[in-house]
Amino acid sequence: DAGITQSPRHKVTETGTPVTLRCHQTENHRYMYWYRQDPGHGLRLIHYSYGVKDTDKGEVSDGYSVSRSKTEDFLLTLESATSSQTSVYFCAIRRGTSGLYEQYFGPGTRLTVT
Amino acid sequence: DQQVKQNSPSLSVQEGRISILNCDYTNSMFDYFLWYKKYPAEGPTFLISISSIKDKNEDGRFTVFLNKSAKHLSLHIVPSQPGDSAVYFCAATYNAGGTSYGKLTFGQGTILTVHP
Repeated sequence: DAGITQSPRHKVTETGTPVTLRCHQTENHRYMYWYRQDPGHGLRLIHYSYGVKDTDKGEVSDGYSVSRSKTEDFLLTLESATSSQTSVYFCAIRRGTSGLYEQYFGPGTRLTVT
Repeated sequence: DQQVKQNSPSLSVQEGRISILNCDYTNSMFDYFLWYKKYPAEGPTFLISISSIKDKNEDGRFTVFLNKSAKHLSLHIVPSQPGDSAVYFCAATYNAGGTSYGKLTFGQGTILTVHP
């Protein structure tokens, strides 16, 4: 258990509405990541953070923004949800820094955009 | 461009036999590789990893082999158990002087089913 929680765990929303997913960690790790999982694609990186207020884009960042105002929380916002953003979203933390790359994942949020 | 590929969507194995899951990569900068296991409705769980300075890493029933010249890695599970039935993802990253921020690139996943 890496002390990661995600909320909500399930959400159904309508096209065009903004949605914010929250990732919370209890272990004070510097690095945090947001991924989405889709059939045939594995997990793809959306955004990541390497410290408070330090974030950058990943592979599939269009339509998403993030914020990290404190170490323990990493928020993912879908500015105007579309059906293509229906997916399962996972947050992850990285425990080590140099030489250690293992990431530990939260339980996921299943988002459906109708 | 899929930099990490798992070409077998599924694998079925009898309990007690060996399971071999394969993964290929194209980016020569990758120097650290990981395997994750995922059960339905749960987050991926880290299983085992290997640095590019090694060609083998073992942890109990799980062994990962790395062939850098072929840009290929494999995960061996011996003996396979029904509880090993899950989706397995391989992932890769690189150091590049610390500028990669540990970002992982994942394969598409392989569904392993172990029959009793």
